[in-house]
Amino acid sequence: DGGITQSPKYLFRKEGQNVTLSCEQNLNHDAMYWYRQDPGQGLRLIYYSQIVNDFQKGDIAEGYSVSREKKESFPLTVTSAQKNPTAFYLCASSIDGRANYGYTFGSGTRLTVV
Amino acid sequence: AQRVTQPEKLLSVFKGAPVELKCNYSYSGSPELFWYVQYSRQRLQLLLRHISRESIKGFTADLNKGETSFHLKKPFAQEEDSAMYYCALSDRGSTLGRLYFGRGTQLTVWP
Repeated sequence: DGGITQSPKYLFRKEGQNVTLSCEQNLNHDAMYWYRQDPGQGLRLIYYSQIVNDFQKGDIAEGYSVSREKKESFPLTVTSAQKNPTAFYLCASSIDGRANYGYTFGSGTRLTVV
Repeated sequence: AQRVTQPEKLLSVFKGAPVELKCNYSYSGSPELFWYVQYSRQRLQLLLRHISRESIKGFTADLNKGETSFHLKKPFAQEEDSAMYYCALSDRGSTLGRLYFGRGTQLTVWP
């Protein structure tokens, strides 16, 4: 089954900790994206990557970091510098970097700071 | 700058009534427009692309460049249409491909 897998589904983080959210795709898509979904705010872009070993900041990159060492994988690290990390995080991919065919989304990770 | 506006945060209709979810955009280039839907406890999925001119689950959307709108319509709403709907735009001409999303409209269809 082709698709995007995000793990874990739920994640709890203590104040001051870094945590890493996993995103893996087997669609052979070139581009991958991380969005944050908050009630009333829609989807806001954190980081995106059009090719391996390259990525760009989105609209709300502060306090986050990413890597793209393999085409299939685009992990997101939420650092202790992120002031309000409690949110639902969505990973997506698109066939090419132009996003003209839209995205395929993962099922999301809900991060809660305790 | 690209921007997508969905003016209604919440929309309620009765089963069998027509429904229209509004989407307006501001963009100077050549946009590609999409509607995404998120049913309860399911992942976000593509509903429509404007360029494909499809009708999915009875929904249609017409791009009106004069009004810069891409409203989603269905003549007879069903209870299973209850979901969160997002309008999104991509820049067809840009090499830095990404989607810009509106804030979403929560549609509730009452029996």
